[in-house]
Amino acid sequence: DIQMTQSPSSLSASVGDRVTITCRASQSIGSNLNWYQGKPGKAPRLLIYAASSLQSGVSSRFSGSGSGTDFTLTISSLQPEDFATYYCQQSFRNLLTFGPGTKVDIK
Amino acid sequence: QLKLQESGPGLVRPSETLSLTCIVSGGTIGSIAYSWGWIRLPPGKGLEWIGTISYSGLTYYNSSLMGRVTISADPPKNQVSLILNSVTAADTAIYYCARLFSGKLGTPRLDYWGQGTLVTVSS
Repeated sequence: DIQMTQSPSSLSASVGDRVTITCRASQSIGSNLNWYQGKPGKAPRLLIYAASSLQSGVSSRFSGSGSGTDFTLTISSLQPEDFATYYCQQSFRNLLTFGPGTKVDIK
Repeated sequence: QLKLQESGPGLVRPSETLSLTCIVSGGTIGSIAYSWGWIRLPPGKGLEWIGTISYSGLTYYNSSLMGRVTISADPPKNQVSLILNSVTAADTAIYYCARLFSGKLGTPRLDYWGQGTLVTVSS
């Protein structure tokens, strides 16, 4: 099974900060990498798919990059509604795996 | 607008069977473009993929749950079901159903989610 790791596991940031979260796969997955935002009491929300494509309706301050084993989610200017947990997820050969999550909270 | 709604018992006793249903409205589960998945969020932990069923009935499961989990679909009722056998406290979680869409880029992603249902395993 493909394992996913994320770093950092948590971070504290201020409104307006640029935030970068890294995700690494245990083997090459091409561009089969998605990013989700999770908030308590709400369904997870798809932000980025295929490593760098912005899901419809998602703010352009979110962006993704990477391929193979190393991927990045960037929030260009953190907004109050962005304080949440972010998960990467791979979908290679129909078997899905989520990363452990990165919690972004207020500094 | 596509809507997914999970339902089932909120409390299951240890060693018994967890059974959940996801009713899909605003779209059909039989469409060739989509698969349907179950994901869970244990308290204090991260998201865990449970399994997926394709439009044709092919199933894929998390290897850590293999042997205990079954996902099925009922196209006439437009619903997807999850059965998890021999549950323990470790199966306590919010359970979500979601649509898995591949699209032109061929990268399956979970683009629509239900609101989730909390299942507690306790005697």
